[in-house]
Amino acid sequence: NAGVTQTPKFQVLKTGQSMTLQCAQDMNHNSMYWYRQDPGMGLRLIYYSASEGTTDKGEVPNGYNVSRLNKREFSLRLESAAPSQTSVYFCASRSPGDHSYEQYFGPGTRLTVT
Amino acid sequence: GEDVEQSLFLSVREGDSSVINCTYTDSSSTYLYWYKQEPGAGLQLLTYIFSNMDMKQDQRLTVLLNKKDKHLSLRIADTQTGDSAIYFCAEKTSGTYKYIFGTGTRLKVLA
Repeated sequence: NAGVTQTPKFQVLKTGQSMTLQCAQDMNHNSMYWYRQDPGMGLRLIYYSASEGTTDKGEVPNGYNVSRLNKREFSLRLESAAPSQTSVYFCASRSPGDHSYEQYFGPGTRLTVT
Repeated sequence: GEDVEQSLFLSVREGDSSVINCTYTDSSSTYLYWYKQEPGAGLQLLTYIFSNMDMKQDQRLTVLLNKKDKHLSLRIADTQTGDSAIYFCAEKTSGTYKYIFGTGTRLKVLA
C-alpha cells in the first residue's frame, strides 16, 4: 500500500494563477482532510470530507475549493492564488473502523505564491 | 474556542530524557495524540491516549494526562539523534470530525 499520496511535491505560482493539489489514498478510508501548515501555527483544517460526495468547511476555507471525486481521491483547488496561500499543504485520511481515530498523512505539497 | 498550546523549542543531550508539554482547553476532548514530523515529511502518529486514562507507556514513550489541569506530556526516554523532529499534540472530541493541533515543538537532540 502506498498510503496517502500527494502531487505535486513542490509548486511555485504567480499571484492570480490557479492550480489543483491532488490527494489519493489506497486504504479504503471514508474520511479525508486538507490542512495547511504555517510556521508557529500548527496545522489548520481547510476542508473535510466525511465520505464520497460530501465536503465541509474547516477553519480556513476561504480561497479554496475541494472535490471528493471518489472514495480514493480528494483534490484542493486554488482558483486565484494569493501570497497568503504560501504554505505546506497536507492531505490526510482516516478509517472509521479504527478505534484510535488515527489520521494518516501524505508527504505534503510545498506551495509558494509570488 | 478550542486551543492547544505547546512550547516551540526543546533541546536535550543524547541519552537524556525529553519531556514535551501540551495544554488544551476543550474539556470534552476524548482522544489526545502525539504526532512526529521529520524534515520534509508528513505527520506520523507516535501514540495516543483516551481521556479516561492517566498514563500510557509504549517502549521509550510515556504519555501522562492530567485532566484537571488539561495538561498532556510526552516523555521520550534515552533520547537519540533520530528523535530530532517536530512533535505535535492534537485533540479530538467524540462525535466530531475535527482535530485541533498544537503549534508543534521542535526537538533538537545534541550529540
